[in-house]
Amino acid sequence: AQSVTQLGSHVSVSEGALVLLRCNYSSSVPPYLFWYVQYPNQGLQLLLKYTTGATLVKGINGFEAEFKKSETSFHLTKPSAHMSDAAEYFCAAFSGNTGKLIFGQGTTLQVKP
Amino acid sequence: AAGVIQSPRHLIKEKRETATLKCYPIPRHDTVYWYQQGPGQDPQFLISFYEKMQSDKGSIPDRFSAQQFSDYHSELNMSSLELGDSALYFCASSLIGLVGSTDTQYFGPGTRLTVL
Repeated sequence: AQSVTQLGSHVSVSEGALVLLRCNYSSSVPPYLFWYVQYPNQGLQLLLKYTTGATLVKGINGFEAEFKKSETSFHLTKPSAHMSDAAEYFCAAFSGNTGKLIFGQGTTLQVKP
Repeated sequence: AAGVIQSPRHLIKEKRETATLKCYPIPRHDTVYWYQQGPGQDPQFLISFYEKMQSDKGSIPDRFSAQQFSDYHSELNMSSLELGDSALYFCASSLIGLVGSTDTQYFGPGTRLTVL
């Protein structure tokens, strides 16, 4: 069964510092992977997705993620954190052939001035 | 661009009451998914519909039922509410076309259900 693991429930960085949020998946078949962001009391907004093709995926707000099959990872990065990036981030994988998403446990990103 | 609409945004109910949550997908999207997000938890898949037929079922209690109507909007009906049903309920829609497509799910703002 597909599963998604996010390492670190809380990540704290200083404004301007590199953001790295970790995500690993388990699957016997090539996965389709997503990163969503959730601001307080709001819905889930898609940051980026990997399906096939280029393994480095660029998303909105300066975020990008690299699919590494050998490491079963799909880590999310941003070169320079902004205060507005403070939110909950979810890594998710497409599960089965009906399109349901399996989510990781989420990582809360705190950005310090 | 049109987004997924959910109503109501907030709902307060007493134990053992019933609740109906509504979801209006993005126009021309053929698939609707329902997720439940408890406090401090990740979203958990409940149920999905493709072209008005149930396509998948997750950890949805028997007290809950859902359907997708001819205009593609969906309703999640919850009966005999329990305190543990308090959560954020998300609806997402996508354009699958053929089953197995990898098209993206777009989420609505959610309905926050509080059971007292």
